[in-house]
Amino acid sequence: AQSVAQPEDQVNVAEGNPLTVKCTYSVSGNPYLFWYVQYPNRGLQFLLKYITGDNLVKGSYGFEAEFNKSQTSFHLKKPSALVSDSALYFCAVRSRYSSASKIIFGSGTRLSIRP
Amino acid sequence: NAGVTQTPKFRILKIGQSMTLQCTQDMNHNYMYWYRQDPGMGLKLIYYSVGAGITDKGEVPNGYNVSRSTTEDFPLRLELAAPSQTSVYFCASTPLLEAGELFFGEGSRLTVL
Repeated sequence: AQSVAQPEDQVNVAEGNPLTVKCTYSVSGNPYLFWYVQYPNRGLQFLLKYITGDNLVKGSYGFEAEFNKSQTSFHLKKPSALVSDSALYFCAVRSRYSSASKIIFGSGTRLSIRP
Repeated sequence: NAGVTQTPKFRILKIGQSMTLQCTQDMNHNYMYWYRQDPGMGLKLIYYSVGAGITDKGEVPNGYNVSRSTTEDFPLRLELAAPSQTSVYFCASTPLLEAGELFFGEGSRLTVL
């Protein structure tokens, strides 16, 4: 069965500092991995995805994520946080070799950037 | 393009009532999904569809039904509403099965009293 874990309910970072939001996954076979962001009272918006190739994936708004197969992780990172990055972040996974179309989400991490 | 449109945005139901949450997309996407979002629980997959006439259960299908008569529409039916179904419901679609990102609607907030 597929699963995603986001071990931190909340991450607090000072503006200008680097940020990391953690994600680990469990799937059969190789994964497709995604990060989404949700602003208050809005639907989720796609940030970036890992399909294959380079383990470092770059996405929207200066975010990037690093795929680590041995640690089954896909942590979201940004070199310098902005107050406007404050939002709820979700990691999601789909098995590459599954015949089903399920896309499973983690429980979310609330990112708070203080000025 | 309007993208993914959900109606209604807000609804209050009494226990035992039924209702349908509407979802329509104008992007000609084959794959559509219904999720519910509860505080601290992330998104849970209720039902999904890989095309018109084809639907399948997700993680939490009990108490819900879906149909997919057209590519554009994917309504979610709640029968005999219960307080446990109080949640925010999101519909999403994607053009690609394997690596496609999801396009989400704005959500429907349902309260069952």
